[in-house]
Amino acid sequence: SQKIEQNSEALNIQEGKTATLTCNYTNYSPAYLQWYRQDPGRGPVFLLLIRENEKEKRKERLKVTFDTTLKQSLFHITASQPADSATYLCVTAGNKLTFGGGTRVLVKP
Amino acid sequence: DGGITQSPKYLFRKEGQNVTLSCEQNLNHDAMYWYRQDPGQGLRLIYYSQIVNDFQKGDIAEGYSVSREKKESFPLTVTSAQKNPTAFYLCASSTTPGQGVSEKLFFGSGTQLSVL
Repeated sequence: SQKIEQNSEALNIQEGKTATLTCNYTNYSPAYLQWYRQDPGRGPVFLLLIRENEKEKRKERLKVTFDTTLKQSLFHITASQPADSATYLCVTAGNKLTFGGGTRVLVKP
Repeated sequence: DGGITQSPKYLFRKEGQNVTLSCEQNLNHDAMYWYRQDPGQGLRLIYYSQIVNDFQKGDIAEGYSVSREKKESFPLTVTSAQKNPTAFYLCASSTTPGQGVSEKLFFGSGTQLSVL
């Protein structure tokens, strides 16, 4: 079965810098991959979707890349702000959705 | 405002008791899902429903039951057979049936279930 690996250690970053999160998957290459944001005690909120034939996707200060050779997706938050502090979940989609455990990001002013 | 409403926000279960978590959506979505979230782990699928009066087991259905009598509602019952029920439960919906493949999920704000 598909396994998703995200760094379980929190990422501490200074305001204004770029945060980069990694998502590695172990088995089949998914048809597409999603990223969600989750705040404490709340449900995840959809951010971006990238398909296997797309190398990069952008939305405002967010950028996602998808490398099927490395079996990896990178999620970037540029010009980070304290309001970006949250847990970010990587989700792969093949015949079912598989969620990673998430990486917590803490942006310090 | 359109969205998914889960209630209650916090729920406590006594040993041997069944409890029901509510999930209502007004997004007119066909598909609805229940996930369980444990600290540091990925969400795990409990049950999903693609259409009214039909539902399918997910990866961890044992000890849980659901119903889908209305398109808007998908309640989850945590039965006494679920021996480790303490977790954060999330309800979600999507426009495309089939476990959300090809469409994003819309989540409720969750229910934290704890055992007394």
